[in-house]
Amino acid sequence: DTGVSQNPRHKITKRGQNVTFRCDPISEHNRLYWYRQTLGQGPEFLTYFQNEAQLEKSRLLSDRFSAERPKGSFSTLEIQRTEQGDSAMYLCASSGRLAGKNEQFFGPGTRLTVL
Amino acid sequence: DAKTTQPPSMDCAEGRAANLPCNHSTISGNEYVYWYRQIHSQGPQYIIHGLKNNETNEMASLIITEDRKSSTLILPHATLRDTAVYYCIVRVPLTNDYKLSFGAGTTVTVRA
Repeated sequence: DTGVSQNPRHKITKRGQNVTFRCDPISEHNRLYWYRQTLGQGPEFLTYFQNEAQLEKSRLLSDRFSAERPKGSFSTLEIQRTEQGDSAMYLCASSGRLAGKNEQFFGPGTRLTVL
Repeated sequence: DAKTTQPPSMDCAEGRAANLPCNHSTISGNEYVYWYRQIHSQGPQYIIHGLKNNETNEMASLIITEDRKSSTLILPHATLRDTAVYYCIVRVPLTNDYKLSFGAGTTVTVRA
């Protein structure tokens, strides 16, 4: 399968713990996006990378959240000191080299539950 | 960000056409309309997008009104596997790219 992959698919953690999610985009895609989706709502944009550069961050991305894409390939999203309000589906998407010309392809998501 | 308005839910009979409406009255002249769908427990799947002209692909057709204030996604022959949440989205510019501004979507249930 050459689509976007995300790991883990599910994560259960206790409040206050740190968690890290990984996203592997489609191999030739240089743009990578993170979205968050809470129950019954559509996904909300969090942040975006072009190659290794993080070009935009939403106000939803508090100081406890950090995203990286060190070599312009896979990306990680870390949440420090998790809170129950962080429980959500975290979605990763990627798109091709032509800015604004290609649709975003989504991965299956990582479902986070904070107890 | 331009907002979209969709009915919360609709039913459709298997084999019939499903017409999904969307209002985007505040859309600006260079903003595209995208449609995605999300089947339970999966990531959103791209369906189609357009700016001014009607568009058709192997999945669906997109009809955009002349004033661009509304659009309709048409699934020509709905199957049970088309049961999903359908999102009408206006693409919002970012630095050198865009983000997808999702609403709550329409839950479409295709019934046998």
